[in-house]
Amino acid sequence: TQLLEQSPQFLSIQEGENLTVYCNSSSVFSSLQWYRQEPGEGPVLLVTVVTGGEVKKLKRLTFQFGDARKDSSLHITAAQPGDTGLYLCAGAGNNAGNMLTFGGGTRLMVKP
Amino acid sequence: GAGVSQSPSNKVTEKGKDVELRCDPISGHTALYWYRQRLGQGLEFLIYFQGNSAPDKSGLPSDRFSAERTGESVSTLTIQRTQQEDSAVYLCASSPQWSGLHQETQYFGPGTRLLVL
Repeated sequence: TQLLEQSPQFLSIQEGENLTVYCNSSSVFSSLQWYRQEPGEGPVLLVTVVTGGEVKKLKRLTFQFGDARKDSSLHITAAQPGDTGLYLCAGAGNNAGNMLTFGGGTRLMVKP
Repeated sequence: GAGVSQSPSNKVTEKGKDVELRCDPISGHTALYWYRQRLGQGLEFLIYFQGNSAPDKSGLPSDRFSAERTGESVSTLTIQRTQQEDSAVYLCASSPQWSGLHQETQYFGPGTRLLVL
């Protein structure tokens, strides 16, 4: 069974601060995705990383896939209240079709 | 185009009753997934349908849970003899045919919030 652990589980910061969310596993994933979920809605895909060591940027968000494809991080620069939400990482196994294993999520609150 | 829709959006039921949750995937998506999300937590995989292949039911927590899908369209998740621990948000997602080359995006519905009293 592939497990993904996210940390921290909860993060409350002031507008303008930087933060990093981590997603770790002992298993290797063929790709890893990050989703953001707002209250009352389903998760929405932010990014997919595929190659070990890959870095992708989405405005103020920077996603990195570990060299060994076992871990990933999400860094947000100058957080804004609109970044508030639940951030979920999800890994795809090598022979799991299109199935994903989700982490437990990081709940981010950015105060104005 | 229309996204994934789920109904009802909220369901309150009494312990021991059966409930049926519905998911309408994006038209043309061959894959459909059900997840359970307890309050403030991540997603727990329940079941996966891919085209005409046998569904992957490995995530269903007990035999009280079952799901059906009609072809490549609507799916229903049924929970029999509901228990209080079944209270959660049940999310449905769909995705295009898996190419085998890269991960397809899963598009999620808004979920059904189930409360078992």
